[in-house]
Amino acid sequence: NAGVTQTPKFQVLKTGQSMTLQCAQDMNHNSMYWYRQDPGMGLRLIYYSASEGTTDKGEVPNGYNVSRLNKREFSLRLESAAPSQTSVYFCASSDLRRGTDTQYFGPGTRLTVL
Amino acid sequence: KNQVEQSPQSLIILEGKNCTLQCNYTVSPFSNLRWYKQDTGRGPVSLTIMTFSENTKSNGRYTATLDADTKQSSLHITASQLSDSASYICVVSAGGFGNEKLTFGTGTRLTIIP
Repeated sequence: NAGVTQTPKFQVLKTGQSMTLQCAQDMNHNSMYWYRQDPGMGLRLIYYSASEGTTDKGEVPNGYNVSRLNKREFSLRLESAAPSQTSVYFCASSDLRRGTDTQYFGPGTRLTVL
Repeated sequence: KNQVEQSPQSLIILEGKNCTLQCNYTVSPFSNLRWYKQDTGRGPVSLTIMTFSENTKSNGRYTATLDADTKQSSLHITASQLSDSASYICVVSAGGFGNEKLTFGTGTRLTIIP
């Protein structure tokens, strides 16, 4: 049981390049999330998927797209990377239980855009 | 605007000592409050989740308290160990069942020295 896995762990891009961050979970969770974490700021939600086949914008969606490929996988795409997207990206998953959902986070992807 | 403020920003204590971290929030409508531990270079890991009706919850040497009237929470760590060195993040959830939105604090960086 690996939990939430993310690839790659590190990535350096040049401005304008594109890339896809991959996330997978093996806990049979319905909901999946993408966050970014920047120094001095709390985690901010980029996009989430409440269930397979649905995606919704979070707090900071501009410049990103997502795909919920199936119940296990949720990818985040940067079409044209900008230096402002330099950040640590975390994927998380959860399943509603008794009205609250513990979110399980992956190890993160550290992205630098030059 | 929903906000979560944590104090102190950083804290250094000797191994074996106790410490208390603080969290103040202005979130409405309140659903639950969570504490996460984030080791350097890793994703956050859930410690506790407390709903409106709970004012104390423990997880081993970690004890969280919640005062919904004053909108304050604390995380008390007893008999600290070197492995407790991490950032501790307070997260407050707003909204109803199945429609919760999380607001993350910026964290308290705790360092345990031998």
